[in-house]
Amino acid sequence: RKEVEQDPGPFNVPEGATVAFNCTYSNSASQSFFWYRQDCRKEPKLLMSVYSSGNEDGRFTAQLNRASQYISLLIRDSKLSDSATYLCVVRTGTASKLTFGTGTRLQVTL
Amino acid sequence: DGGITQSPKYLFRKEGQNVTLSCEQNLNHDAMYWYRQDPGQGLRLIYYSQIVNDFQKGDIAEGYSVSREKKESFPLTVTSAQKNPTAFYLCAVSSGPGGPTDTQYFGPGTRLTVL
Repeated sequence: RKEVEQDPGPFNVPEGATVAFNCTYSNSASQSFFWYRQDCRKEPKLLMSVYSSGNEDGRFTAQLNRASQYISLLIRDSKLSDSATYLCVVRTGTASKLTFGTGTRLQVTL
Repeated sequence: DGGITQSPKYLFRKEGQNVTLSCEQNLNHDAMYWYRQDPGQGLRLIYYSQIVNDFQKGDIAEGYSVSREKKESFPLTVTSAQKNPTAFYLCAVSSGPGGPTDTQYFGPGTRLTVL
């Protein structure tokens, strides 16, 4: 089983739609969770950290369910500029080592 | 991130040659990391360093070497022993192990192609 699993997609949605991505992780000792965004042939950029109580940043909402070892990202009112690959990232241990999912690709269309 | 530079952006090398990728940061962060990314795979950790003059192997260190002589710099050498070196190489930095806000920021990457 992979340490971090994501549906690769692609998710094709019209502009204005709401879309949700899910991610599961295998190590129950994982401590910190993040969503990164990666545009084609570019470096990953931090989108948001994921906190236990859930958190929101504008149109983006992240949720964490430690019991089910599950993380989600909800994007409301999708924009064309949201088209990218979204990486689920988990930190386990004390050395700031991160484990990356393979990413979920989102394509927002007119 | 603007404070992390990687050079060159594209690199071509012949089989059997060693090549060194540069990573420099002006963020005054302690920890630096090297990853490689292959199509359809997540980023995989090659080496990391939490402090000057110290570094540890990541998950796929074979065929690679690093040094950390200065806080600002963490060069990666891809040796001829690396069987499949063609990949997108990403350098990252973080303020170091700590609380839940410790996150990693990436440089723009180097695309290495072995001919």
